[in-house]
Amino acid sequence: AQSVTQPDIHITVSEGASLELRCNYSYGATPYLFWYVQSPGQGLQLLLKYFSGDTLVQGIKGFEAEFKRSQSSFNLRKPSVHWSDAAEYFCAVGENYKLSFGAGTTVTVRA
Amino acid sequence: DSGVTQTPKHLITATGQRVTLRCSPRSGDLSVYWYQQSLDQGLQFLIQYYNGEERAKGNILERFSAQQFPDLHSELNLSSLELGDSALYFCASSSNNEQFFGPGTRLTVL
Repeated sequence: AQSVTQPDIHITVSEGASLELRCNYSYGATPYLFWYVQSPGQGLQLLLKYFSGDTLVQGIKGFEAEFKRSQSSFNLRKPSVHWSDAAEYFCAVGENYKLSFGAGTTVTVRA
Repeated sequence: DSGVTQTPKHLITATGQRVTLRCSPRSGDLSVYWYQQSLDQGLQFLIQYYNGEERAKGNILERFSAQQFPDLHSELNLSSLELGDSALYFCASSSNNEQFFGPGTRLTVL
């Protein structure tokens, strides 16, 4: 069975600084990988996805993620964080359309 | 706005009761998924329906059941509720291997 690990429970970053959120997965085949964001009291919004091809994928809101098969990782990055990026971020692996989520990383942005 | 709608937004009930959560998928999407988000278990897949048929089951309790109707809306029925069932319940629909989530129903069991 697939599993997803997000090692960082909480990250605090200054506005304008770069952000990297880690995600490691365990899956036998080539995974479908996703990053979702959840703002307080809101649903889940898809930031980006990787199915195949170019291992560096661009998403919405200036986010990007890189798939590294050798490291079983799919880390999310943003060069310059805005206060509105404060939220919880979830990495997910898809198999037969079912998603398995990591525990999430809460991002706090300080002024 | 994902196009997936869920009602009600909030639900408060007592232990032992039964509730029904409703979901309408995006127009044209045949699949509906239910997920539970709780503090101790995180986000967990419960069940998937495709065009009215159950397709996949996850960590869904026997006290919980779901169905998808001919108009493709889905209902998640939770019975004999316990305090630990308090959670946010999400519905999602999919196309092209992407899942689009509704705003969720927050269930509080007192």
